Amino acid sequence: GENVEQHPSTLSVQEGDSAVIKCTYSDSASNYFPWYKQELGKRPQLIIDIRSNVGEKKDQRIAVTLNKTAKHFSLHITETQPEDSAVYFCAGTTSGTYKYIFGTGTRLKVLA
Amino acid sequence: DVKVTQSSRYLVKRTGEKVFLECVQDMDHENMFWYRQDPGLGLRLIYFSYDVKMKEKGDIPEGYSVSREKKERFSLILESASTNQTSMYLCAISLQGPQNGYTFGSGTRLTVV
Repeated sequence: GENVEQHPSTLSVQEGDSAVIKCTYSDSASNYFPWYKQELGKRPQLIIDIRSNVGEKKDQRIAVTLNKTAKHFSLHITETQPEDSAVYFCAGTTSGTYKYIFGTGTRLKVLA
Repeated sequence: DVKVTQSSRYLVKRTGEKVFLECVQDMDHENMFWYRQDPGLGLRLIYFSYDVKMKEKGDIPEGYSVSREKKERFSLILESASTNQTSMYLCAISLQGPQNGYTFGSGTRLTVV
């Protein structure tokens, strides 16, 4: 079945630097890739998503890129701030269903 | 905004007890999901439902069952709780179609002692 791998598991960056989190997926029919941010003690919230007919999407300081040939997608956060500290999850859809397969998460720490 | 309510934020139960986790949504969404979240393992799908009285197994259904008697309510049942079911349980809903995103409940942290 579908599998989504996420790296790294932890990431520390200095405030103002960029952060990149990478995910790979196994099902070539997957066509939707959301990213969720989970702050400590809170529920995961959708921050950005990308569909398979698009190679890149940007929303202010965050962007997501998708390489369908290589079956990987990445989250890019520029000019990181302390409030970006959280756990980030990538996900992909399993073709033909409504369920998401999530990556194992990346704990991002932005050091002031 | 859609509201997804999980009845308990924290729960402590004894081994062997039958445990009910409730999830209620207020927007008539068809699709409801139960995930468990464990450090280093991410979110793993237990069960999901596309409609009333309909259920499908996710990736880790063993030891769990579900009930969806009404569209707005999706219950996760631990028939006989065990210590390895200590976890954070998250309910999620989505509109028809996977590309509409999930909305999560606030989670129930269950401890089985």
